[in-house]
Amino acid sequence: DTEVTQTPKHLVMGMTNKKSLKCEQHMGHRAMYWYKQKAKKPPELMFVYSYEKLSINESVPSRFSPECPNSSLLNLHLHALQPEDSALYLCASSQVIREKLFFGSGTQLSVL
Amino acid sequence: DQQVKQNSPSLSVQEGRISILNCDYTNSMFDYFLWYKKYPAEGPTFLISISSIKDKNEDGRFTVFLNKSAKHLSLHIVPSQPGDSAVYFCAASANSGGSNYKLTFGKGTLLTVNP
Repeated sequence: DTEVTQTPKHLVMGMTNKKSLKCEQHMGHRAMYWYKQKAKKPPELMFVYSYEKLSINESVPSRFSPECPNSSLLNLHLHALQPEDSALYLCASSQVIREKLFFGSGTQLSVL
Repeated sequence: DQQVKQNSPSLSVQEGRISILNCDYTNSMFDYFLWYKKYPAEGPTFLISISSIKDKNEDGRFTVFLNKSAKHLSLHIVPSQPGDSAVYFCAASANSGGSNYKLTFGKGTLLTVNP
């Protein structure tokens, strides 16, 4: 199994909603990542978890809250988002930090 | 400050010919470089990587060349196929303290391979 699975694939939410993005991998990887990608831009790193501990937070606003319940799962909790937060949210994993990343297919988020 | 630069937003080649995608970097601490391929509405897929101790790495139709003195790398695809049409991202990381090990991506090059 070399997949990173993300759900949902698409999400539309209002600015007052609370929603969560989910990511799962069963490759035994100990590093997991959240990236945000706007159209025609490169992926931008948001958070890195290493051995289930938050390792990097790239000054992301608190309306994005990551959670790593165990070594296979990574969540991104969303609350009070702005329309400019609309983007493709990508989860990735790697054996450990600095190894090549395996990406999920992303959640296309639209904030109305 | 764009530490990884892909100066060609797009490239068009004929099927069967060589595709050459270029990438320049400014951070001399970068020592690990990767190429990813991305189709619309999908996550990037790892293609090939190279460590700074090498100047060439080959995997099937894909070869990456690294010129450390010029801080330049390139991806060669031979022969190019229509299924190679995608956005190609160059990425780099550094084995140093702090968060330098995070992957820094270029802006991508859209490759179109015409039948």
